[in-house]
Amino acid sequence: KQEVTQIPAALSVPEGENLVLNCSFTDSAIYNLQWFRQDPGKGLTSLLLIQSSQREQTSGRLNASLDKSSGRSTLYIAASQPGDSATYLCAVSSSNTGKLIFGQGTTLQVKP
Amino acid sequence: GAVVSQHPSWVICKSGTSVKIECRSLDFQATTMFWYRQFPKQSLMLMATSNEGSKATYEQGVEKDKFLINHASLTLSTLTVTSAHPEDSSFYICSAGKAFGGLAGADTQYFGPGTRLTVL
Repeated sequence: KQEVTQIPAALSVPEGENLVLNCSFTDSAIYNLQWFRQDPGKGLTSLLLIQSSQREQTSGRLNASLDKSSGRSTLYIAASQPGDSATYLCAVSSSNTGKLIFGQGTTLQVKP
Repeated sequence: GAVVSQHPSWVICKSGTSVKIECRSLDFQATTMFWYRQFPKQSLMLMATSNEGSKATYEQGVEKDKFLINHASLTLSTLTVTSAHPEDSSFYICSAGKAFGGLAGADTQYFGPGTRLTVL
């Protein structure tokens, strides 16, 4: 059974810092991995999607890497801003059916 | 583009009543919709997969008679929580995608804003 773990559970940094969020999964046979952002009481916004054959994806100040063999992904946020404060969720799909298994999330606070 | 809406955004009901939550894809046709629930400070748990015109597929441990899912059109899926109880209080989120499975691969999922259900 696939399990997804995110570390740390919470993170507080001053504005401008570069930071890394970690995600690990127990079964390396994944179809893709996605990073989402969730603001309090809101739905999810997809940030980056990495196919199993890819090593990384970049979007603006965000860079996500995938090491499928070791069951790990990282989300790198450069030059963090207070507007980046949110919960970041990692999710893996083990097939092309679209079913996603989510980690518990990392709640990020960026202080001005 | 690719907007998914949910209605209502929040609902409070008495124990024993039924509540219907709608999930709509506003600008695309969604062959598949997914329903998740999220308890406070916890992650999303997939409840069921809903394909247009067919019965929903429920995840293990989810009572299909309690959580009725209907996907009557390519833009609308509904989740009805029947005989709701306080333990059903949660944040329910749907997602929608255009195509999954087979040669279609796995399309990007677009998430709705969620529905907060509180059962008194």
